[in-house]
Amino acid sequence: QSVLTQPPSMSAAPGQKVTISCSGSDSNIGSNHVLWYQQFPGTAPKVLIYEDNKRPSGVPDRFSGSKSGTSATLGITGLQTGDEADYYCGTWDGGLTVVVFGGGTKLTVL
Amino acid sequence: EVQLVESGGGLVQPGGSLRLSCAASGFTFTNYWMSWVRQAPGKGLEWVANIKEDGSQKYYVDSAKGRFTISRDNAKNSLYLQMNSLRAEDTALYYCARIGYTSSGFDFWGQGTLVTVSS
Repeated sequence: QSVLTQPPSMSAAPGQKVTISCSGSDSNIGSNHVLWYQQFPGTAPKVLIYEDNKRPSGVPDRFSGSKSGTSATLGITGLQTGDEADYYCGTWDGGLTVVVFGGGTKLTVL
Repeated sequence: EVQLVESGGGLVQPGGSLRLSCAASGFTFTNYWMSWVRQAPGKGLEWVANIKEDGSQKYYVDSAKGRFTISRDNAKNSLYLQMNSLRAEDTALYYCARIGYTSSGFDFWGQGTLVTVSS
């Protein structure tokens, strides 16, 4: 049972938009920045969003992040088949003094 | 170019020990907190431990406390994870990761080393 809650799977058609939610609590999302990671099978995760809504250089602006209270959202517009991957939210939990991740969302683009 | 290269994984019996290493290059190792994150086969990411730049602060997931020890040798630009009393549920791909963002955000990851605990 992950501290952060994500939908296990989502699907959408190419060109469409999808939003992946991440729900937490006051001690994690509510008081710390959220990151989003993308992971393709057999490869290490890569950061897509840091500090709630910032994109590292090289990440397309089709990817966006937002946060409100104890929930965060990853948005992906103009879906491409190459976006099929697992997506994880993560942050620090100051109450537990641990890093917490969501359980991951498997995105299918069909 | 930042590189993190893990080694030391393998097959070990329940109750056994293993020491993982991570060789870092391409950045000033002493400027960064470092971490170990694991992923069981077919499962999600699970953070294991963090260590401060000078090794003076360490944090662990509850399941690792008392069994795992994270350490670093800044002279060798290396990160370690000593794992004792291993259990089947410790079977996972173990990633070394650099903390480069606020809220313990990982900006670079190694490719991982596989630990299998089985008799």
